[in-house]
Amino acid sequence: DAKTTQPTSMDCAEGRAANLPCNHSTISGNEYVYWYRQIHSQGPQYIIHGLKNNETNEMASLIITEDRKSSTLILPHATLRDTAVYYCIVRVAGANNLFFGTGTRLTVIP
Amino acid sequence: DTEVTQTPKHLVMGMTNKKSLKCEQHMGHRAMYWYKQKAKKPPELMFVYSYEKLSINESVPSRFSPECPNSSLLNLHLHALQPEDSALYLCASSQVGRGAKNIQYFGAGTRLSVL
Repeated sequence: DAKTTQPTSMDCAEGRAANLPCNHSTISGNEYVYWYRQIHSQGPQYIIHGLKNNETNEMASLIITEDRKSSTLILPHATLRDTAVYYCIVRVAGANNLFFGTGTRLTVIP
Repeated sequence: DTEVTQTPKHLVMGMTNKKSLKCEQHMGHRAMYWYKQKAKKPPELMFVYSYEKLSINESVPSRFSPECPNSSLLNLHLHALQPEDSALYLCASSQVGRGAKNIQYFGAGTRLSVL
């Protein structure tokens, strides 16, 4: 699986959009970008995934650059409950392995 | 129902004890996983079961013994653990097969302390 690079930490004001970047410059054509988050003392939670098109669901939006070498997870209106570690993971669809990098610790500030 | 249930939530054991961690899901998922997470570190994959058969063992020491008695249950048997094995143990499940989104759903974990 391709390696991902994320900033160690970010802050975001409550109610504002949180934009979390991820670099995956060695991504292959058959690899998807997945985002999970882990709130303190809980198990990781799936957020969204995509291949090359932008995706949106009830939790977030995923913007993937045209060359697929980077992506951004957008939480449109961050709340205090969005404070968590966000993991960007690249892997082949259908593969059973899921390798977490170090992630971005997002702190939403009142 | 997207719940993965892990028991117990907390476990303290001595190095000579034998204990088991349990995981249960009723989503019809045929892949189940064990992860280990040390404090302030990301989860690390330990084992993967696919259709009740062990498909991936990430070079985990034999003092950890997984078992998948049926498609809904996953156990992790612990024996002769070391203090450095203290961690949060996470269970997950997902669909398998071609075309599956393969989204993993995680339990809340068992926090294990080895004395």
